[in-house]
Amino acid sequence: SQTIHQWPATLVQPVGSPLSLECTVEGTSNPNLYWYRQAAGRGLQLLFYSVGIGQISSEVPQNLSASRPQDRQFILSSKKLLLSDSGFYLCAWGVGEQYFGPGTRLTVT
Amino acid sequence: AQSVTQPDIHITVSEGASLELRCNYSYGATPYLFWYVQSPGQGLQLLLKYFSGDTLVQGIKGFEAEFKRSQSSFNLRKPSVHWSDAAEYFCAVGAFETDSWGKFQFGAGTQVVVTP
Repeated sequence: SQTIHQWPATLVQPVGSPLSLECTVEGTSNPNLYWYRQAAGRGLQLLFYSVGIGQISSEVPQNLSASRPQDRQFILSSKKLLLSDSGFYLCAWGVGEQYFGPGTRLTVT
Repeated sequence: AQSVTQPDIHITVSEGASLELRCNYSYGATPYLFWYVQSPGQGLQLLLKYFSGDTLVQGIKGFEAEFKRSQSSFNLRKPSVHWSDAAEYFCAVGAFETDSWGKFQFGAGTQVVVTP
């Protein structure tokens, strides 16, 4: 069966510091991968999606970037965090319906 | 581009009562529709999906949804809610065209509170 992992589960970072969130999927090959952000009390905003290694599509201009160095690994990064980057970050995989990881709660102070 | 509207931000229902959550979508092609549930601090769990065929779809946890093309709706229902159904519910429409394959648009969510 397929499993999706995200880490860390929670993160508190100061403004201006770098960020790296990791997502890995097990039990499937060549999945579409997605990064979403969920602000408090709001819906999901698609940030990036990838249909293959090295293929990244950005949905919203922002302070973040994504990379897919391996088939089942998806990384969300920032060089300098802003206060507005705080939120709940969700990774998902799918080739039809999407399946979500447990999320990372990021607080930028 | 697709869009999803969940008109109800918050719904309170008594345990044992029926529940219906509304979802309206806008999409020019054949819609692929989904309902997800999210407990606090958790990821989203897929409840059910509609791709084609029977317009009444059965899902997990006793939920069902009905696709009505004429009304552009995909409402979620449960005949008798349990306290464990308290959560936030998201409707989503997926695009599976060449230039946007697999992209989802989510609604803003409906928070369900279950009272004793």
